[in-house]
Amino acid sequence: GQQLNQSPQSMFIQEGEDVSMNCTSSSIFNTWLWYKQEPGEGPVLLIALYKAGELTSNGRLTAQFGITRKDSFLNISASIPSDVGIYFCAGRITGTASKLTFGTGTRLQVTL
Amino acid sequence: GAGVSQSPSNKVTEKGKDVELRCDPISGHTALYWYRQRLGQGLEFLIYFQGNSAPDKSGLPSDRFSAERTGESVSTLTIQRTQQEDSAVYLCASSHDVYEQYFGPGTRLTVT
Repeated sequence: GQQLNQSPQSMFIQEGEDVSMNCTSSSIFNTWLWYKQEPGEGPVLLIALYKAGELTSNGRLTAQFGITRKDSFLNISASIPSDVGIYFCAGRITGTASKLTFGTGTRLQVTL
Repeated sequence: GAGVSQSPSNKVTEKGKDVELRCDPISGHTALYWYRQRLGQGLEFLIYFQGNSAPDKSGLPSDRFSAERTGESVSTLTIQRTQQEDSAVYLCASSHDVYEQYFGPGTRLTVT
């Protein structure tokens, strides 16, 4: 099935550093969601975005819905070891009522 | 409150056998989704149930895959005559509306 282009594929950073990842699509999205998945667990919803240009924060996490509606980014500030995991973007294409399309994931490793 | 639950958490089966995977959504959630996640990959949409509407089966990879849902409660995903390429984590998600999906921990299926 269709997947979003998510980058980077993986990141190795030091504790305390800021992180930025993004997703792009050739299709217009009306919803963007960001999930985190830890080993052996299902994805956990971090942030949901519903309007172009929307900027939403959840603690150290900030996500934005791109103005073109074809991209979104997620920033994590002052990373800590428990931020380790795989981050997925997901979006709903305008006109598809139900289905989410998922990105390929960004694997984040945090070193002390 | 209770989240999405799935059972079994792990299933090992022989090639050619049928398997049934179960999902209990969050109470009150009208929408239920099944996804497949192969090792190191993103999530692949399989099927979507919304209330009493006909399910969206567009993601099912073959006619060996089927799913049922009883009203707005439990769902079962059945894979007949399992093949080794069916080995993956099968994730279930539910949502109250069409926007935010909440995932269960998944069932890890291994076909030997």
